[in-house]
Amino acid sequence: DAGITQSPRHKVTETGTPVTLRCHQTENHRYMYWYRQDPGHGLRLIHYSYGVKDTDKGEVSDGYSVSRSKTEDFLLTLESATSSQTSVYFCAIRDIAGGETQYFGPGTRLLVL
Amino acid sequence: SQQGEEDPQALSIQEGENATMNCSYKTSINNLQWYRQNSGRGLVHLILIRSNEREKHSGRLRVTLDTSKKSSSLLITASRAADTASYFCATGLRGGTSYGKLTFGQGTILTVHP
Repeated sequence: DAGITQSPRHKVTETGTPVTLRCHQTENHRYMYWYRQDPGHGLRLIHYSYGVKDTDKGEVSDGYSVSRSKTEDFLLTLESATSSQTSVYFCAIRDIAGGETQYFGPGTRLLVL
Repeated sequence: SQQGEEDPQALSIQEGENATMNCSYKTSINNLQWYRQNSGRGLVHLILIRSNEREKHSGRLRVTLDTSKKSSSLLITASRAADTASYFCATGLRGGTSYGKLTFGQGTILTVHP
């Protein structure tokens, strides 16, 4: 257990509204990642962070922004939610001490109506 | 596009049988990992194999890696109903700017019938 929590766990929102998902870790890991999981696509990387205030885009970053103002929190924001952003969102951390392994949070189910 | 492609997409077997899942990828890698996902849960790391390794074991799991064919296989021996899950391969690339990013395949859904 890498001490990763995600909030909220479930959210229903309407098209055009902003949404922020939070990933919180308790073990001071430097690297954090946001993925989305959709049927037929596996997991796709949205954004990642390699330190406080250090973030970069992943494979499917359009429509998403992130912020990391402190080590333990990595926020994912949908500026104006669209139905295509209905998905399950997973946060992960990379444990350098454990090599290249990533540990995942429980996920957030987001439905955009 | 996905770096890793897995087959089969779905596999249904009886308890006690072996399950084999395959993963192919496109570019040179630093490592290849396998993860398991139970329905509605986050992914759990199973095993990692580095590009200079050919085979690795962990309990009932055996992973092989053929870098010349850009492919890997995951074998679960003596399967149990509790092994029912989705299994994903993920590739990690070389280079200092990779930041540990992984690219996941689409997964294999394994169903083990009691």
